[in-house]
Amino acid sequence: DQQVKQNSPSLSVQEGRISILNCDYTNSMFDYFLWYKKYPAEGPTFLISISSIKDKNEDGRFTVFLNKSAKHLSLHIVPSQPGDSAVYFCAARDDKIIFGKGTRLHILP
Amino acid sequence: DGGITQSPKYLFRKEGQNVTLSCEQNLNHDAMYWYRQDPGQGLRLIYYSQIVNDFQKGDIAEGYSVSREKKESFPLTVTSAQKNPTAFYLCASIRGGRLSGNTIYFGEGSWLTVV
Repeated sequence: DQQVKQNSPSLSVQEGRISILNCDYTNSMFDYFLWYKKYPAEGPTFLISISSIKDKNEDGRFTVFLNKSAKHLSLHIVPSQPGDSAVYFCAARDDKIIFGKGTRLHILP
Repeated sequence: DGGITQSPKYLFRKEGQNVTLSCEQNLNHDAMYWYRQDPGQGLRLIYYSQIVNDFQKGDIAEGYSVSREKKESFPLTVTSAQKNPTAFYLCASIRGGRLSGNTIYFGEGSWLTVV
């Protein structure tokens, strides 16, 4: 049973617009959430994280929102740029780190 | 510079053979992880180790084995019992403890192909 779910396998967004990537989780013991960006045949790159005691964290163009009651988090990228095209993984942590299946983001010119 | 080194980058294995993927980190991190990535599957946890001489199975441990004799090293052996070993393998580490360390450091990955 998947504890971390990214239900959208892919997403296409126009350059300059906002990209919103969603993630749902089932384990209420998760206390830390992370977003990673990954290019093919490379290790994931850390983007942004959020502790379960917060509901928002912002870093430049990236903002992560956490809704604990809904067990939902989202990553907002604004404005979207061509270099943002990649696979984005949501991850959650208790005593181990569990990843979602990823969402492939395509930024359209 | 500190980091995680995985080797080899590419490995071909004949069916029935065991192979070992190396993962070394000089970050002084306590916890180390092995993940596998298949198309459409994301990163699935194989094994993890929170401390030297201790490790736990992840979601897909069958057909794999690990050891953690030293803090900096966490090798993964893909045994002949692993039914579908062709995949991209990622090693990761984190400083340790649930409330310490907020990012995972990843190696560059190892491609294993069974021929």
